[in-house]
This record gives sequence, structure tokens and C-alpha cells, in this order.
Amino acid sequence: TQLLEQSPQFLSIQEGENLTVYCNSSSVFSSLQWYRQEPGEGPVLLVTVVTGGEVKKLKRLTFQFGDARKDSSLHITAAQTGDTGLYLCAGARGQGGSEKLVFGKGTKLTVNP
Amino acid sequence: KAGVTQTPRYLIKTRGQQVTLSCSPISGHRSVSWYQQTPGQGLQFLFEYFSETQRNKGNFPGRFSGRQFSNSRSEMNVSTLELGDSALYLCASSVHRALVLPNNEQFFGPGTRLTVL
Repeated sequence: TQLLEQSPQFLSIQEGENLTVYCNSSSVFSSLQWYRQEPGEGPVLLVTVVTGGEVKKLKRLTFQFGDARKDSSLHITAAQTGDTGLYLCAGARGQGGSEKLVFGKGTKLTVNP
Repeated sequence: KAGVTQTPRYLIKTRGQQVTLSCSPISGHRSVSWYQQTPGQGLQFLFEYFSETQRNKGNFPGRFSGRQFSNSRSEMNVSTLELGDSALYLCASSVHRALVLPNNEQFFGPGTRLTVL
């Protein structure tokens, strides 16, 4: 059983459209991170959210951490072809200083011109 | 500042062989973590090393092992390779262990693509 479920698994949209991807769990996490991974490269951290209900904005990307710290969403406004990639959420579990990251399987986003 | 480097980038082995992968963290980073990424299971945590000691371990069999040297460089070894070990092996480094600390971002290398035939 996957601890973190991401949906949708695949998403293909046109440039300029808006989209939301979701990351859900029945477990509570001390923090949640979103990464983007492009082919042939390792994941790159986009944001870390720590507080339940927290909302963070990174240009056209909006990240929200659920009030109960069990789920998160990533909303992209006016998607661009450069947003194409695999979006991964990762939850931190464990005691301070010894957390392990648990990753979802990812949402593969394709933005078509 | 150079990023995390991993060698080799690609590797082909046959069942039963063993393999050693290498990771050089960003200068000044003392924590190195290893992950296995497959289409079926996604990214899964293997283990974490800090100050030459394994501090955290995922749910992988004992065939998977690693070590860290005094310069923070790390190696992971997989013995008696199985077909299911085919994966992208990613290494990530950070300054400290606590992942939620501000300015303690974990940086990933490009990975080693291992194919077991």
C-alpha cells in the first residue's frame, strides 16, 4: 500500500490551461515537500510546507498543506511547456533530526504548445 | 558550486553479479541519502549516512548496503543482483540531517541507471 497517493497519475494539457494535482494520505506528516523531476535528472525541490493549512506561492505555482497535515495540492496557473515534468510529493516522517522522506509515485505532466 | 555527482551514469549487469555505485555530495554537505526509483514503486528510501555512520534505513534486503567516507563521499553496493533491482538509483545530499530545517534543502544527483539482465 502506497503511503502517499498522487492523482492524477498522468495529465496532458494545452499551454495556458490551469491544473491541480493532489497528494493524499491517511498518515500525518511533519512536513511535506514537492519536487519536479525532468528526464535524465534527479528531483529538484520546489517547496516545503510545514504548518497545517499553509499556502505557499512560487510564481504561477500554488502549494497548499491540508489542515490535518495529511494531504497537499499543487495548482499551476496558465501552464507553460516548461512546466512539463514529473511532480513528486514527499512527506517527512520520524523524529526531528532523523526524518525519512516517503514519496508518492508522481504525476507526469505534459504541457503541449 | 558543483552539484551532486554520481558515477557511473549507466550500468548493465547480469543476475548474480554485484555492483558498486558512487556519490559525491555537494561540498560541505555531510548527510547523504540513497533512493531507488522504479516505475512501479516510485522513489523509495534506501538509507542515509551522516558522519560516516548509517543513521536511517528503509525496507530493503541486506543485499543493499552502503558506506560513507571521511570526505562525505558515499558508495552503495548491491550484491547478488536480481532482475527487480533494475532501477534508477538516486543519491541526495544536505548539510544537516533534519530535513525540515530552513535552508537544509536536499539536493539530488542525476542518478545511476542500473539494468540487470
